[in-house]
Amino acid sequence: AQSVTQLGSHVSVSEGALVLLRCNYSSSVPPYLFWYVQYPNQGLQLLLKYTSAATLVKGINGFEAEFKKSETSFHLTKPSAHMSDAAEYFCAVSGSGSARQLTFGSGTQLTVLP
Amino acid sequence: GAGVSQSPRYKVTKRGQDVTLRCDPISSHATLYWYQQALGQGPEFLTYFNYEAQPDKSGLPSDRFSAERPEGSISTLTIQRTEQRDSAMYRCASSLTGSSNEQFFGPGTRLTVL
Repeated sequence: AQSVTQLGSHVSVSEGALVLLRCNYSSSVPPYLFWYVQYPNQGLQLLLKYTSAATLVKGINGFEAEFKKSETSFHLTKPSAHMSDAAEYFCAVSGSGSARQLTFGSGTQLTVLP
Repeated sequence: GAGVSQSPRYKVTKRGQDVTLRCDPISSHATLYWYQQALGQGPEFLTYFNYEAQPDKSGLPSDRFSAERPEGSISTLTIQRTEQRDSAMYRCASSLTGSSNEQFFGPGTRLTVL
């Protein structure tokens, strides 16, 4: 069984400040981990993914995440927030089998303050 | 098509009515997933297809829910005798194959059951 916990349903940062969105996972098999972003009235868009290669993963729009097996974490960071980063962010986990259905966390709404 | 499309984007129905939601995946994609997303929660897996085969229905909440993909392309999700607890965003995603690590999501259908 797999599960994802996102700490903080709402996070506010000032423009230019560090963004840190937390994600912890539980998985009985080696996990594949993902961060998705959802803008209003749009579908989920993949930001980045960890698939057992490099533990530090770089994604689009300047985001990156580090897989830490010892902490069962996959936190999302961005050094400097931009107003356009305001959105809802979802962490997700899948197995490595023949089907990769995703198990999502409950999401974190990011607000960027001017 | 260029991306995953879903219709209708919004559906309001009365309790007890049947509804059918449609998903048109990316044309080259073999695998199609359905997710249900309640307000304030992350998406939850319902079912998936490899072409027209439906190997996993484990996420369907009850026998009122059914899905099909008869020609291995467009898929429909039908909810019979809708109940208020069925109100949610229904998301469709497709991937090149079942073992692909990237799922492409449609914009979703917002279902409201009165």
